[in-house]
This record gives sequence, C-alpha cells and structure tokens, in this order.
Amino acid sequence: GAVVSQHPSWVICKSGTSVKIECRSLDFQATTMFWYRQFPKQSLMLMATSNEGSKATYEQGVEKDKFLINHASLTLSTLTVTSAHPEDSSFYICSARESSLVGELFFGEGSRLTVL
Amino acid sequence: AQKITQTQPGMFVQEKEAVTLDCTYDTSDPSYGLFWYKQPSSGEMIFLIYQGSYDQQNATEGRYSLNFQKARKSANLVISASQLGDSAMYFCAMSSPGTYKYIFGTGTRLKVLA
Repeated sequence: GAVVSQHPSWVICKSGTSVKIECRSLDFQATTMFWYRQFPKQSLMLMATSNEGSKATYEQGVEKDKFLINHASLTLSTLTVTSAHPEDSSFYICSARESSLVGELFFGEGSRLTVL
Repeated sequence: AQKITQTQPGMFVQEKEAVTLDCTYDTSDPSYGLFWYKQPSSGEMIFLIYQGSYDQQNATEGRYSLNFQKARKSANLVISASQLGDSAMYFCAMSSPGTYKYIFGTGTRLKVLA
C-alpha cells in the first residue's frame, strides 16, 4: 500500500518554542492531507484538512494561528505548533488520501509532542 | 451531522477464537464509506477493511470481515481466529464523499488471551 512518513516521531521542547512536524507521501501524490490529534486513550480528532497550494481548512475549535499548516507540494504537508505550551502535548497523526484507491486514507506513524 | 459510536471500551478474546467489535453510525448522506483501523501501542494506524455504502456484499480481508447492516446502520468488525498480535485499539471510521474527512469512533481496546 501507499506509504506516508511522518517526522519526527518524538519531540520534546520547552514551553514557548515552535515545533514543526512533517508529513510526506512517499510513493504517491496527495492533494489532500489531514492532521489529527489524539490524546492518551482517546480517539483521533480531526484538526484540519490540508490542501496543496491553498489554505488549510480548520475544524471548529482549532486555533489556526496556533497550528500552522502548510501544504507546499503534492508530497509534503507540515504542521507547526507555534509557541507550544504543555497543553499542546499530544500525539499528532497525519494522513493522506491516495486518489486511485477507493476511499482509503493512509496514515503516518504519528508524532508524539511533549512540551515541558 | 455524522456520528460513529463504539460502545465497547474493552474486549477480551481467547486466542484462536472469533470476536466481534461493534460499530454503529449515523449519517444523512446516501453515499459514505466505513473503515476499520487497528492502532497498536506504537501508535501507527493500520488500515484493516473498507465497506462502501452501496456495496452489496460484506467486505472481507483475510481474517477480517465487516458485518454491514445498512438498515440498522451498523458496521461490526469480525476477527476470526484471533492471534496475540491482534491485541490493540480498534477504531471504526466513516467518510463522506467530497470532503474525504474521516470521523472516528472512540475505539475498542482488544486483548487476546493466550
């Protein structure tokens, strides 16, 4: 199946710093990528839809200035957590849609962010 | 609005036995997709099986089958011949055409006992 790679897998940062997480589709072009956030023992919550070449569409309640999303190419989307605080600590997962396969989304390995 | 419900927070099954994980959904869209994903402790989401709303037959993928009952709006996952490696969180998800956004259920943690 299609491969989506996410980097870094783990990141620890100090409060107030910004952290960038990359999501790459390795063997297909993804016009649309999705960013999810998952708290421990909870489900995945969609944060935003990332569209190549245009602004991301954020879900209700997600601060777009806090979570900057850039989808500069058909194989790369980035999520930047700006001025991170401990409450931003979470597991962030990206996914990408492979248009030739009916409906299926492929997920990255996830990035665990810990803000001290 | 769309909604996915998984009512079983946790399940136990004996190795080599079958287990059914429940999933019900609600949507007003006539066209939608239903998915099951497995999330082991490492965190990655592993696609298991897909069922389209217009598919006449229940989807099957190896030991996984999806018991799709459209009138009851249920899409239960059946795992046959459970293996120790099946122990994980299982999420049911639904997508709508056009947006391709998925919404996820709260998940069911499955533990396979030796």
